[in-house]
Amino acid sequence: QSALTQPASVSGSPGQSITISCTGTSSDVGGYNFVSWYQQHPGKAPKLMIYDVSNRPSGVSNRFSGSKSGNTASLTISGLQAEDEADYYCSSYTSTTTDVVFGGGTKLTVL
Amino acid sequence: EVQLVESGGGLVQPGGSLRLSCAASGFPFSDYWMHWVRQAPGKGLVWVSRTNSDGSGTSYADSVKGRFTVSRDNAKNTLFLQMNSLRAEDTAVYYCARDRLGAIYAFDIWGQGAMVTVSS
Repeated sequence: QSALTQPASVSGSPGQSITISCTGTSSDVGGYNFVSWYQQHPGKAPKLMIYDVSNRPSGVSNRFSGSKSGNTASLTISGLQAEDEADYYCSSYTSTTTDVVFGGGTKLTVL
Repeated sequence: EVQLVESGGGLVQPGGSLRLSCAASGFPFSDYWMHWVRQAPGKGLVWVSRTNSDGSGTSYADSVKGRFTVSRDNAKNTLFLQMNSLRAEDTAVYYCARDRLGAIYAFDIWGQGAMVTVSS
């Protein structure tokens, strides 16, 4: 069982917006603004999409945005495109015995 | 071009050892914290280990503590993961990843991954 909880799957049609949630505890998501989001296409390495809750690295589309409320972080993708279909993982710094915890991943299907 | 290239993966028997390498290029390697993250077949990402920029500080996931050792050679721009007492549950693709400067545990550059299979 992963330390952070994500929905197993979400789906949306092209042009729509979707939101993926990532729920942790006060020891990780709720306690620190060190949440990141990664996109992973099949057979590929993950790609950083959001860091420090809501910051986008250079080159990442502004259709991707991040936010946090309490112990839950969220990734929103607006204007869905076919190439957005991938697995998405959240991660957070944690004050427990391990430095970083990941969510179990969410498979995004673009209908 | 900024890149990380892993090597050293393969098939090993339970109880055996393996050493992964991660060659960095295109950026000042010695300035960055580095991490290992693994992904079992069909499963999610799991953080394994990290080292600070000069190798003086390391950290491990509970599942590998005492069996795995992370190190680096900044003169050769290379990160290592020594894996001992390997178990079937260590079977995974192992990625090395760079920690983004100015952020906290945000992995902005990833290698292509090295497959480690532990089986008799």
